[in-house]
Amino acid sequence: GAVVSQHPSWVICKSGTSVKIECRSLDFQATTMFWYRQFPKQSLMLMATSNEGSKATYEQGVEKDKFLINHASLTLSTLTVTSAHPEDSSFYICSARGQAGGVGEQFFGPGTRLTVL
Amino acid sequence: GENVEQHPSTLSVQEGDSAVIKCTYSDSASNYFPWYKQELGKGPQLIIDIRSNVGEKKDQRIAVTLNKTAKHFSLHITETQPEDSAVYFCAANSNNNDMRFGAGTRLTVKP
Repeated sequence: GAVVSQHPSWVICKSGTSVKIECRSLDFQATTMFWYRQFPKQSLMLMATSNEGSKATYEQGVEKDKFLINHASLTLSTLTVTSAHPEDSSFYICSARGQAGGVGEQFFGPGTRLTVL
Repeated sequence: GENVEQHPSTLSVQEGDSAVIKCTYSDSASNYFPWYKQELGKGPQLIIDIRSNVGEKKDQRIAVTLNKTAKHFSLHITETQPEDSAVYFCAANSNNNDMRFGAGTRLTVKP
């Protein structure tokens, strides 16, 4: 199946700093990428949807100035958590979809565990 | 928008027994229903999916059934093994084609 990578797999940072997470589709072109957040023992919460070359669409309650998303190419999307605080500590997972329009499978990355001290 | 409910939240079975996880969805326009397996500290992995034009799909020990009229779909795992232990998520695509997930089922297969 399609492979999606994330980097880094884990990161620890100080409060107030910014952290960038990369999501790459390794063997297919991803027209759409999704960013999710997952708290321990909970389901995946969609944060935003990004289409290559256009601005991301954020879910209600997700601050777009806090969570900056860039989808500059068909194989790379980045999520930057700006001025991170301890409450931003979570497991961040991206997924990628390669089919343009219609119904397409989503393939998930391995996730990035962010810990803000 | 789409709302997906999943039951049970936890499931414990003996090795070799079957496990069934059920989901319901609210949007009658949804037409794609994947199931994901998530192991601790990892991202979800697609294990099987079904589209609305079929009622059942099977892949070795895993099967999924779909009842469009009742708007529910189920995951069936037969001959369970300890390595099947994980959290399983069902999902349904919403009207703008992003995925809505169930709350997850923690499956434990006891040897």
